[in-house]
Amino acid sequence: AQSVTQPDIHITVSEGASLELRCNYSYGATPYLFWYVQSPGQGLQLLLKYFSGDTLVQGIKGFEAEFKRSQSSFNLRKPSVHWSDAAEYFCAVGHLNFNKFYFGSGTKLNVKP
Amino acid sequence: NAGVTQTPKFRILKIGQSMTLQCTQDMNHNYMYWYRQDPGMGLKLIYYSVGAGITDKGEVPNGYNVSRSTTEDFPLRLELAAPSQTSVYFCASTPGGGNQPQHFGDGTRLSIL
Repeated sequence: AQSVTQPDIHITVSEGASLELRCNYSYGATPYLFWYVQSPGQGLQLLLKYFSGDTLVQGIKGFEAEFKRSQSSFNLRKPSVHWSDAAEYFCAVGHLNFNKFYFGSGTKLNVKP
Repeated sequence: NAGVTQTPKFRILKIGQSMTLQCTQDMNHNYMYWYRQDPGMGLKLIYYSVGAGITDKGEVPNGYNVSRSTTEDFPLRLELAAPSQTSVYFCASTPGGGNQPQHFGDGTRLSIL
């Protein structure tokens, strides 16, 4: 069965520190991978996506993610976190031949001044 | 650039009442989705549609109904509201299927008392 795991429910980092949010997936085929960000009271906004090719993908707001097939992981990173990055982050997986997506349970990021 | 529009933004219902959550998109997307978001649970798929006149169940369809008479609109109906349906509901759309990023509305926060 397909599933997406985000092992960290809450993460707190200091402003200016680096960030890595973990995402592991279980999928029977080559996945399409997405990271979304949700600010309070808002819908989800796409940060970046991986379809194929280069395993390191760049997204908006200075985020990047690396696809590691051997580890079934798609971790999100940012070198220097800003206070405005405080939000909830969701990893999701889809597939070309399927019409549905599977979401992780989310990671809430707090940023300390 | 309206994107995906959901109405209402907030609603309080009494147990046993019915209501329709509206979702409309102006991007001519074929695929539309309804999710519910509960704290710490990520997004759960309720129903989805791959085009006008075609709908299918997701993970948690019980207690809900949908219709898709036009490409633009995908309303979600609650027939007999129950406290377990208290949640935040998100509508999303994509031009294609599971290989395309989703565009989300801002959500409808529904409380059933």
